[in-house]
Amino acid sequence: AQSVTQPDIHITVSEGASLELRCNYSYGATPYLFWYVQSPGQGLQLLLKYFSGDTLVQGIKGFEAEFKRSQSSFNLRKPSVHWSDAAEYFCAVGVGNAGNMLTFGGGTRLMVKP
Amino acid sequence: NAGVMQNPRHLVRRRGQEARLRCSPMKGHSHVYWYRQLPEEGLKFMVYLQKENIIDESGMPKERFSAEFPKEGPSILRIQQVVRGDSAAYFCASSPQGPSPGNTIYFGEGSWLTVV
Repeated sequence: AQSVTQPDIHITVSEGASLELRCNYSYGATPYLFWYVQSPGQGLQLLLKYFSGDTLVQGIKGFEAEFKRSQSSFNLRKPSVHWSDAAEYFCAVGVGNAGNMLTFGGGTRLMVKP
Repeated sequence: NAGVMQNPRHLVRRRGQEARLRCSPMKGHSHVYWYRQLPEEGLKFMVYLQKENIIDESGMPKERFSAEFPKEGPSILRIQQVVRGDSAAYFCASSPQGPSPGNTIYFGEGSWLTVV
């Protein structure tokens, strides 16, 4: 069965610093991979997704993620964090015929110091 | 173009009552998914529906939970005889007709159920 692990439950970074959120997955086939962001009391917003092709994926809000098959990873990065980036971030792998049923990791809560 | 609409946003029920959560997918979307997020946890898949059909309910608890997506109207997630452990955020998502790789799945803002 598929699974997603986000090893860091909480991360705190200073505003302007770079960010990397880790995500490891376990899935027997080529994965469809997603990163979502959730602000408190809100729904999930898609940051970016990977289906095929270029392993470096650009998303919204200045985020990018790199798919590394050899490491079963899909880490999310941002070169310079803004205070408004404070939120919870979820990595997910899509399963099913078209990757449309998502298995989520446990999330990483990002705090941004001024 | 309205997004995925869920209501109510917040619902309080006493133990033993029924909870009904509604989800209207994005315009043009005929595939609906329900997820549950327990406190301090990630989202867990519950059920995948198309109009008038349940496609996959492998994540649904065996008892008290049911879901439907009728030909007309919103999708309904129904929880009978709620217990405290049902307290969670329930998220609905939708995708366009004919799922294929690359389809984006859009999430609603969730319905927060509190059982007292």
